[in-house]
Amino acid sequence: SAVISQKPSRDICQRGTSLTIQCQVDSQVTMMFWYRQQPGQSLTLIATANQGSEATYESGFVIDKFPISRPNLTFSTLTVSNMSPEDSSIYLCSATQGTHQPQHFGDGTRLSIL
Amino acid sequence: KQEVTQIPAALSVPEGENLVLNCSFTDSAIYNLQWFRQDPGKGLTSLLLIQSSQREQTSGRLNASLDKSSGRSTLYIAASQPGDSATYLCAVTLSGSARQLTFGSGTQLTVLP
Repeated sequence: SAVISQKPSRDICQRGTSLTIQCQVDSQVTMMFWYRQQPGQSLTLIATANQGSEATYESGFVIDKFPISRPNLTFSTLTVSNMSPEDSSIYLCSATQGTHQPQHFGDGTRLSIL
Repeated sequence: KQEVTQIPAALSVPEGENLVLNCSFTDSAIYNLQWFRQDPGKGLTSLLLIQSSQREQTSGRLNASLDKSSGRSTLYIAASQPGDSATYLCAVTLSGSARQLTFGSGTQLTVLP
């Protein structure tokens, strides 16, 4: 199964700043996703990271706030822009190697905004 | 819109008990269903994946069943251990989707020694 590494694992940021989270997979994967887990809540999909093209965002999430890159089949980044305290969450990257394969997750990035 | 519900929200059992966690979903047109565990401060660990054409999957002390027509899945844990304490999440992938997961709110399990 794919092993997913996320960096940073946690950060404390100032209001109004931006942070880029990196997601590295140890093998080529067909699909990569970004999820948000707010305190005490389950996971909500932010977007599907498409290799070589713009990400597909879910309702309530926009590219200006959460720009995503996916330059190849093993790497993706999520930027949280112009952060406010409401963005304090865990951000998780996931990937799957194929249609009939499970999704695997990184350990997440715990983000706190002051 | 697909909604996934997990009951109970929390469960506490003594060590050694067998237990069942429940998951229900509103749209039966799913591609597959996956069970995860999440330990405090950690990401998600995949436990079992059931394709829509399958009825159950087993891994060690875990057995997951799927009844797609009724929109239900159960995760059975045999001979529970304190190390099983975690939050268990079920998630479904809709047919025709880009394989993104819709999650339930989870069951927080505590196994008492």
